Amino acid sequence: NAGVTQTPKFRVLKTGQSMTLLCAQDMNHEYMYWYRQDPGMGLRLIHYSVGEGTTAKGEVPDGYNVSRLKKQNFLLGLESAAPSQTSVYFCASRSGGSYEQYFGPGTRLTVT
Amino acid sequence: AQSVTQLGSHVSVSEGALVLLRCNYSSSVPPYLFWYVQYPNQGLQLLLKYTSAATLVKGINGFEAEFKKSETSFHLTKPSAHMSDAAEYFCAVTGMDSSYKLIFGSGTRLLVRP
Repeated sequence: NAGVTQTPKFRVLKTGQSMTLLCAQDMNHEYMYWYRQDPGMGLRLIHYSVGEGTTAKGEVPDGYNVSRLKKQNFLLGLESAAPSQTSVYFCASRSGGSYEQYFGPGTRLTVT
Repeated sequence: AQSVTQLGSHVSVSEGALVLLRCNYSSSVPPYLFWYVQYPNQGLQLLLKYTSAATLVKGINGFEAEFKKSETSFHLTKPSAHMSDAAEYFCAVTGMDSSYKLIFGSGTRLLVRP
C-alpha cells in the first residue's frame, strides 16, 4: 500500500515550457486535490476532483489544468510555465466518508 | 468563510521543555480541525484531528490538542520536546464548500535547542 505518490520529485523548467505532474493513490479515494506551498503562505488549493471524470477550480487555478480520467490518478498540467509557478506542489486524497486528507511527498518545481 | 491563524512563524524551545503551538480558527459551522507536521523536504503527515468528538485529542509522537469553542482555538502541545520534533507544523480547518478542501494556516517552524 503506497498511499499517495507523485512524479516527478523535482523539475526545472524554462519559462514557456509545459509539463505534467502525476499523482496516484491506491486507497480507492473519491476526492483528490492539488495544492501549492509557498513560503509563509501555507498550502493553497489549485484544483480538485470529487470523482473520476470530474474536476473543479480551487483558490489559485490560473495557469493550471487538470484531468482525472482514472479514479486513482490526478494529473496537473502547466501549459506555459511562468516563474510565479515556482513552488512545491502537493497532491492529496480522501475518502468520501472522512475529512482527513492524505498527502503525497511533493514535487519541487523551479521555473527559470 | 473559514480561516486559520497560527501565531508565531517560528517557535524555539529547549529539549525537554513544553511545546505550545497556537492555532485559532474562524468558522461559521462546527469545524473539523487538523494538525499536520512537515519534516524537511517531505510531505505532510497527520498528527491529530478533531471531528466533534472529545475536545482533548491525542495524536502521534506524544502531541495533543484541545478544542476550545469559546476561544475558537485548537492549540497543539507536547509536554517534553525532543530533537526529532523539529519541523514545520500546520493547523488546518475543513472548508465547507463542495470541495471540502483543507484551509491551512501559514505554519509554525519549531526549533528544538539541545
